This record gives sequence, C-alpha cells and structure tokens, in this order.
Amino acid sequence: QVQVVESGGGVVQPGRSLRLSCAASGLTSSSNDIHWVRQAPGKGLDWVASVSYGGTYKWYADSVKGRFTISRDDSKNTVYLQMNSLRTEDTALYYCAKENNAFDIWGQGTMVTVSS
Amino acid sequence: QAGLTQPPSVSKGLRQTATLTCTGNSNNVGYQGAAWLLQYQGHPPKLLSYRNNNRPSGISERLSASRSENTASLTITGLQPEDEGDYYCSAWDSSLSAWVFGGGTKLTVL
Repeated sequence: QVQVVESGGGVVQPGRSLRLSCAASGLTSSSNDIHWVRQAPGKGLDWVASVSYGGTYKWYADSVKGRFTISRDDSKNTVYLQMNSLRTEDTALYYCAKENNAFDIWGQGTMVTVSS
Repeated sequence: QAGLTQPPSVSKGLRQTATLTCTGNSNNVGYQGAAWLLQYQGHPPKLLSYRNNNRPSGISERLSASRSENTASLTITGLQPEDEGDYYCSAWDSSLSAWVFGGGTKLTVL
C-alpha cells in the first residue's frame, strides 16, 4: 500500500533549526514530485515547498524562502525539509504529500511548535 | 502568495445538492484547473478530484467538479452526513511558480 510517513517534529525555540523527514513506501518516491504542506492550529492548508523527481527542481513559498531547504535521497525513498531560523509563525502540523497531478497521498503529519 | 477564494461556510439539508466554489485567476485555476480535497477534523486531507473532474478511485460519483474560466466548482448531490467537513481547492500558479490553496469551506449537512 502506498504511503508516506513524516517524522522529526518537536518543540523548538525561535531561531533554532529542525529537520523533518518524509519516508515513502509502496512506491518509488523518485518517480513523483513530493511536497510539504503545513496547517497551523485551526487554520487552512499552506503550501511550503516541493521537490521534483530526481531532485532537479525545487520550489518554495515566499514565507520560507531562504530559511527552509527541501531535498531528497532516492536511495532511501526519503524527502527532507531542513528548517532554519524558525519563527513562532512556523508552528503547524507539517504534512508530506505525493503528487500525481494533485496531492493524492498524504501522511498523518508531524507537529512543529516554535516557542520560547 | 495570493491564495484562492472560497466561501467560509455552506449549509445544506440532507439529500440536497451543494455547490462549492473556488475563485482564482488565469495563472492558476484558469491555467490547469483546480483540485479538490476534503479534510475531516483531526485527519489529513483526502483528494476528491483533480484537473477539474478527474476522480481518484473510490471517490463517490455524487461528486462532480467543473471549471468556468477562473472559477472552479465542486457539486455534491444527495448530501449525506459523511459529506460534512472542510473542503479545500488547490492549483498550481504558473506566475508565482507556487502551489496555492483556498482558505477552505466548511460544509454542514443539516
């Protein structure tokens, strides 16, 4: 069964860093674009970043550009989101989603809380 | 990044028809159409349709999507209690090189 599983969330102080992981199983993640989408408590969905199959192309939301870096290790079927200079407004549930014309497979999410 | 516009809430009676709308511009909805997702409280979103009216396997035929210029619509016929939830639209914005979402519509089945 195709699934993606996120990990790496936690509580971190403003200005610190965190790395999220998205492990894909039941498919070859290298054949799909993979995305990170976040949802602040009680709010809507907010696209964060995407990486193309092979890792050649990467896209970022303006709100995270220069602070977050998306990457993938196809040998491990895993996509990463390195988050630096975290802010309180980055507090959210971070979802990993596979794309096949749209976000068709979602994980359960990993919670990131940025607080002093 | 500018998002797509959805009404915050829609309420309809059991077995009635609800039409949800999602308005963007020629760079996103008007470019490649929109996808629709449903999210139940405490769960990840689930894809309902993409590129206007392509449904993944297992999605009810009571749902149909369409697009008119820069506005996408999702019509749900014969409303059931399980149709209650938060509906989001999404689209790729070719001008921003970014994915954009609508703010979500909470559908209540009375």
